[in-house]
Amino acid sequence: QVQLVQSGTEVKKPGASVRVSCKTSGYTFINYYMHWVRQAPGQGLEWMGTINPSGGRTSYAQKFQGRVSLSRDTSTSTFYMELSSLRSEDMAVHFCARSRGYSAYDYFDNWGQGTLVTVSS
Amino acid sequence: QSVLTQPPSVSGAPGQRVTISCTGSSSNIGAGYDVHWYQHLPGTAPKLLIHGNHNRPSGVPDRFSGSKSGTSASLAITGLQAEDEADYYCQSYDSSLSGYVFGTGTKVTVL
Repeated sequence: QVQLVQSGTEVKKPGASVRVSCKTSGYTFINYYMHWVRQAPGQGLEWMGTINPSGGRTSYAQKFQGRVSLSRDTSTSTFYMELSSLRSEDMAVHFCARSRGYSAYDYFDNWGQGTLVTVSS
Repeated sequence: QSVLTQPPSVSGAPGQRVTISCTGSSSNIGAGYDVHWYQHLPGTAPKLLIHGNHNRPSGVPDRFSGSKSGTSASLAITGLQAEDEADYYCQSYDSSLSGYVFGTGTKVTVL
C-alpha cells in the first residue's frame, strides 16, 4: 500500500533552517508529484509548493518563494523540504502529499503523517 | 490567508444532514477549476473525501457528497455519525496565485 513516512519533530532557533524528509513506498516514485502543505497552530492548511520527481522541477507558492527548497532522491524514493530563515510564524505541522500531476484539477490522494517544526529561541 | 471561505463550524445530531459551503471567486472555483474535500482529525494525516467536485474515492461512504455551482461548492454529510467529528477543508486552484488554495476549514460537531 502507498506509504509516505515523514521525519520526526524538529526544534530550531529563529534564523535557522530545517529540512524535513518524506520517504515513499508502495507506488512508482516518478509517477506522482509531491507537494508540501503546512498547518500552523489553530490555522488551516496552506500549500507551500510542489516537485516533479521526474526531473526535479519545482513550483513554489508566492509566499514561500526564496525561502523554501524542495528536492528528491530517486535512489531512496525520498522527498525533502528545506525552509530557511525560520521565524516564529513558521511553527507548524508540515505534511507531504502526493498528486497525479500539477494542474488546476489535481488533488492530494495520500498524505504523510506530518512533521512538527517548532521555532523557539 | 485563505481565499476560499468556509463556515468555522457546523453541528448536527446523529442521523441528521449537514452541509459545508466553500465560497471562492472568479480566479479559482468560478474559473471552472475543480474543488476537492478533505477530512482532517488533528494529529493525523488529512484524508481525501471528494475529488473533482463530486467523486468519492474508494472506501469513502456514500454519506459524503459534493457539488459545485458558480463560485461556490458544498460538501454534504447525511446520516451524521460520531466518527464524522473532524475538520473539513475544501481545496482548489487559483490562477491569480498560480497555486493550490485551501478553504478556511470547518469543524463538524456531532451533538
